[in-house]
Amino acid sequence: DADVTQTPRNRITKTGKRIMLECSQTKGHDRMYWYRQDPGLGLRLIYYSFDVKDINKGEISDGYSVSRQAQAKFSLSLESAIPNQTALYFCATSDSTGTRANVLTFGAGSRLTVL
Amino acid sequence: AQRVTQPEKLLSVFKGAPVELKCNYSYSGSPELFWYVQYSRQRLQLLLRHISRESIKGFTADLNKGETSFHLKKPFAQEEDSAMYYCAPLWGQNFVFGPGTRLSVLP
Repeated sequence: DADVTQTPRNRITKTGKRIMLECSQTKGHDRMYWYRQDPGLGLRLIYYSFDVKDINKGEISDGYSVSRQAQAKFSLSLESAIPNQTALYFCATSDSTGTRANVLTFGAGSRLTVL
Repeated sequence: AQRVTQPEKLLSVFKGAPVELKCNYSYSGSPELFWYVQYSRQRLQLLLRHISRESIKGFTADLNKGETSFHLKKPFAQEEDSAMYYCAPLWGQNFVFGPGTRLSVLP
């Protein structure tokens, strides 16, 4: 079944460590997103990419970087993790055309804890 | 910056009662409006979008441009409606998610 897969699902790390969260999709969507979810704040956009050569900062990009290695893969990196980056991270995809254009399909989430 | 408010963090209703989850957004152009839902142990998923004018699982949402609101309604709540609901206007190319309302439908 076409899907959005995030790895790892859970990660505990220490302050200052480099962390990469990976996202792959089999939906054939051109657009990919990384969101962060914190209690009471909803989802906030970190970075987004509308195709392989397109990378854009979202609302809260500081401290994060991304790589769109292929249409199906979009990775989020924390170069030097800090405790306030402890959160649940979601990858999402969408199609730019068709009847379901702009409808987000979400991954299951990656829970990151920075000690 | 665009803002989305969902005034209730938690909304509890009894089974069979009507339910309304409120959403207000700051005015800037004409965003396309969506509601996303997350059921327990499931992924975030689309519940409905305004332009489709569909009724999904008995839910509807009315856009009031004058009040910049997009409240979600269901006349008779069911226990399986218990979930986290997010209002999400789409401005330009990106969504701005509200903080969410947790709906608890009591037996």
